[in-house]
Amino acid sequence: AQSVTQPDIHITVSEGASLELRCNYSYGATPYLFWYVQSPGQGLQLLLKYFSGDTLVQGIKGFEAEFKRSQSSFNLRKPSVHWSDAAEYFCAVMETSYDKVIFGPGTSLSVIP
Amino acid sequence: GAVVSQHPSRVICKSGTSVKIECRSLDFQATTMFWYRQFPKQSLMLMATSNEGSKATYEQGVEKDKFLINHASLTLSTLTVTSAHPEDSSFYICSATQRGYGYTFGSGTRLTVV
Repeated sequence: AQSVTQPDIHITVSEGASLELRCNYSYGATPYLFWYVQSPGQGLQLLLKYFSGDTLVQGIKGFEAEFKRSQSSFNLRKPSVHWSDAAEYFCAVMETSYDKVIFGPGTSLSVIP
Repeated sequence: GAVVSQHPSRVICKSGTSVKIECRSLDFQATTMFWYRQFPKQSLMLMATSNEGSKATYEQGVEKDKFLINHASLTLSTLTVTSAHPEDSSFYICSATQRGYGYTFGSGTRLTVV
């Protein structure tokens, strides 16, 4: 069965430090990949997505993600974290053939001054 | 860009009553709409997939008689939580897609059953 794992349940970084959130997927083909962010009590905001082409994807708010087929990974990065980045981050996979999105368990990001 | 409106954003209802949540695609025709449920500090779990004009497809473990989904047009899907109980309290989010080109999510509905 298709699945998405985010190994880190919670991450704390200092403001201004770099950030990497991990995401691995289990799927036979190359799926569509997404990163979403959710602030407390809010809906989801799409940060970036990968469908095909360049494996390094630029998103909003200074985020980027790199698709690595050999590692079945789609890690999210940001060179310098801001306090406003504190939120829940979800990696998601769309099953190309079925248009169904599967979400990872999420990583909670805390930012300390 | 594509916008999905979800209404209401918050609702409190008494146990035993029914609640309807609307999901509208405002500037595009959504071939498929999806309903998710999110418990506190947990991820989103897909409840059902609905295609315009056909019956919704429910995920395993989701009670179709409790969570009624209607997708009457290409721009509107509704989720009705029937005979709601406190354990149905949750955050419900819809999303809409056009030809599989990614998703647009609604802002979610916080349901509290008292």
